[in-house]
Amino acid sequence: DSGVTQTPKHLITATGQRVTLRCSPRSGDLSVYWYQQSLDQGLQFLIQYYNGEERAKGNILERFSAQQFPDLHSELNLSSLELGDSALYFCASSVDTYGNTIYFGEGSWLTVV
Amino acid sequence: EDQVTQSPEALRLQEGESSSLNCSYTVSGLRGLFWYRQDPGKGPEFLFTLYSAGEEKEKERLKATLTKKESFLHITAPKPEDSATYLCAALWASGSRLTFGEGTQLTVNP
Repeated sequence: DSGVTQTPKHLITATGQRVTLRCSPRSGDLSVYWYQQSLDQGLQFLIQYYNGEERAKGNILERFSAQQFPDLHSELNLSSLELGDSALYFCASSVDTYGNTIYFGEGSWLTVV
Repeated sequence: EDQVTQSPEALRLQEGESSSLNCSYTVSGLRGLFWYRQDPGKGPEFLFTLYSAGEEKEKERLKATLTKKESFLHITAPKPEDSATYLCAALWASGSRLTFGEGTQLTVNP
């Protein structure tokens, strides 16, 4: 158990809908990262927050957004969902903003039908 | 462009047959090289971080090494439970995100 908690574990939704994925980082970790893993693309970095502020942005679509709250949990919002958004979404956390020792959660399986 | 390349894509071993997995990376500005193990449908499990050429770390049957151009994950006398996908990822000084390779899918047959 990495200490990073993600909910829900599985989610099935229809095209055009909006979903929210939630992440609680390890105790004491201030940085939260979101990654997407699909069958054909491997692990792709989406976005990073540190202590409530956005720190780095990767290949995140405009239909997706994220935030980190004062209690350090984070949410990833996915809207206007398309079939191609079906993937495993991972949250990860680390103690600092430099990415040293990043621990991953178990992921949220999103299936768009 | 920052790149991480892993080889082979897949590896089948017999139980007890030692081997090595390779991870090569763009040379400039590496701050750390990470190894993770991932089981199907699960999150990557942290194994090691290496920070400088010549550094080695061990955990049970696994040993990770780092040179100026690549990293190796040596698996000694593997067991079937070592079957998984092994991912390496690079952390560059220019940022805080990990760039992952495509992984090596390891299967150890009894």
